[in-house]
Amino acid sequence: KQEVTQIPAALSVPEGENLVLNCSFTDSAIYNLQWFRQDPGKGLTSLLLIQSSQREQTSGRLNASLDKSSGRSTLYIAASQPGDSATYLCAVFQGAQKLVFGQGTRLTINP
Amino acid sequence: EAGVAQSPRYKIIEKRQSVAFWCNPISGHATLYWYQQILGQGPKLLIQFQNNGVVDDSQLPKDRFSAERLKGVDSTLKIQPAKLEDSAVYLCASSSYRGRAEAFFGQGTRLTVV
Repeated sequence: KQEVTQIPAALSVPEGENLVLNCSFTDSAIYNLQWFRQDPGKGLTSLLLIQSSQREQTSGRLNASLDKSSGRSTLYIAASQPGDSATYLCAVFQGAQKLVFGQGTRLTINP
Repeated sequence: EAGVAQSPRYKIIEKRQSVAFWCNPISGHATLYWYQQILGQGPKLLIQFQNNGVVDDSQLPKDRFSAERLKGVDSTLKIQPAKLEDSAVYLCASSSYRGRAEAFFGQGTRLTVV
């Protein structure tokens, strides 16, 4: 059974810092890995999708990497801003489009 | 392209009452998911449909929860009777079976059972 773990569970940093969020998964037989952002009381917004054949994807100040063999992904946020404060979730796609989530990292950027 | 639509956004009911949530996925998306998200936790899959067939409902409490996807498009999730521990956000998502798999979520329904 696939298990997805996100570390740390919560992170608080001052504005302007670069930071890394971690995601690990136990079964490397995945198709894609997707990073989401969730604001309080809202649904999930897709940030980046990394296909299994890719090693990284970039969107603006966000960069996500994937190492399937070691079961790890990282989300790098450059020059953090208060508006980046949210919960970040990673999820892996397996066979039959099963989508398994981690518990999320709650990020707070302090002005 | 319209996103995933869910309704209602909020619902407050008393325990033992029934409630229903509705979801309209992105047009053409064959896969539809219902997740339950309790405050402070990651989403937990309740049921996954492929067109109008069930792929996975292993974590659906079938004594009180039911879901259907008529004609492989819209879906309804029902709880009857509700318990206090059902208070959560219920998220609907869809993905395309063809090409790369990418999930898109609706805004969710926040259910409070009192």
